[in-house]
Amino acid sequence: AQKITQTQPGMFVQEKEAVTLDCTYDTSDQSYGLFWYKQPSSGEMIFLIYQGSYDEQNATEGRYSLNFQKARKSANLVISASQLGDSAMYFCAMRDNTGGFKTIFGAGTRLFVKA
Amino acid sequence: DTAVSQTPKYLVTQMGNDKSIKCEQNLGHDTMYWYKQDSKKFLKIMFSYNNKELIINETVPNRFSPKSPDKAHLNLHINSLELGDSAVYFCASSTRLETYEQYFGPGTRLTVT
Repeated sequence: AQKITQTQPGMFVQEKEAVTLDCTYDTSDQSYGLFWYKQPSSGEMIFLIYQGSYDEQNATEGRYSLNFQKARKSANLVISASQLGDSAMYFCAMRDNTGGFKTIFGAGTRLFVKA
Repeated sequence: DTAVSQTPKYLVTQMGNDKSIKCEQNLGHDTMYWYKQDSKKFLKIMFSYNNKELIINETVPNRFSPKSPDKAHLNLHINSLELGDSAVYFCASSTRLETYEQYFGPGTRLTVT
């Protein structure tokens, strides 16, 4: 069965510093996708970044990058130059890329950016 | 010009009642989803529809019945509401079933008393 694990319930980072949010996954599928979503206190879910299991290069989107280590089954999110507006819940998610394309989410990490 | 909209935003009701949550997307997407986020922020897929066809039904009690009258709408009807149904319900859509990016609605906070 597929599983996503986020072991950090909460993280603190100083403004302008980089932070890594951990995510490990488990799947027997060969083709799958890994995502990160941000949920600010206002409640909406915002798509940040995607990595396909066959993508050889790590995905990057602006200040976000996904550190994909396939052999270790990890898909950590790196946020560079943290801003106060980055304070939010961050969810790692995985989707099988065959069949029903079901997406499962991790428990989330709450990030606090300190001024 | 809201992409994915849900109504109502808040819903407070008593146990045993029947209620509906509506979702509409104006993005021209083929695929729509319902997710439930519990009080611990855990987010779980409930249903997905592709071109009005049910694709995923994630062992949700049959008190929950999604209905997709057309590709732009996916409504969620809940019968005989229970305390454990209290959660935030998110609708989402994607271009196609295979597309990885999902656009989420603002959520509907359901409180069952």
